[in-house]
Amino acid sequence: KQEVTQIPAALSVPEGENLVLNCSFTDSAIYNLQWFRQDPGKGLTSLLLIQSSQREQTSGRLNASLDKSSGRSTLYIAASQPGDSATYLCAVEAAGNKLTFGGGTRVLVKP
Amino acid sequence: NAGVMQNPRHLVRRRGQEARLRCSPMKGHSHVYWYRQLPEEGLKFMVYLQKENIIDESGMPKERFSAEFPKEGPSILRIQQVVRGDSAAYFCASSPGFGQTFTDTQYFGPGTRLTVL
Repeated sequence: KQEVTQIPAALSVPEGENLVLNCSFTDSAIYNLQWFRQDPGKGLTSLLLIQSSQREQTSGRLNASLDKSSGRSTLYIAASQPGDSATYLCAVEAAGNKLTFGGGTRVLVKP
Repeated sequence: NAGVMQNPRHLVRRRGQEARLRCSPMKGHSHVYWYRQLPEEGLKFMVYLQKENIIDESGMPKERFSAEFPKEGPSILRIQQVVRGDSAAYFCASSPGFGQTFTDTQYFGPGTRLTVL
């Protein structure tokens, strides 16, 4: 059974610092890994999707890496801003199309 | 192209009542997924449907919960005789269903927040 863990559960940084969010999964037989952002009381916004054959994806200040063999992914957010404050979720997709989510990392960027 | 739509956005029910949650997938999408987010917990898969078929319901509670995705109209998640423990955010996602999983990205709706009094 796939299990996804995100560390740390919460993170507080001053504005301008880089953010490093970690995600680990127990079963390396995945099709892809996706990072989402969730604002309080809102839905999910997809940030980056990394196919299993890829090592990383980049979008603006965001960069996500994937090491499938070790079951790890890292999301880097450069030069954090107060608007980056949210909960970040990682999810893996394996056979059967369903996503398995981690518990999330709550990020607070202080001005 | 409108995104995934869910209604209602907020739903309040008393214990023992029925809750019906609706999800309209993105245009052209034939696959629908339901996930539940309990307070202070992560999202958990509930059910995966294609038009008129349940593909995987391994995450659905065995009793009181049912889901359908008819040929016409939205997908419905139905919870009978709700209890306080059903209070959660219910998210729907849809995907095109190209037939190859690695291209079948799921797009999420805004969720329905169910409160059971």
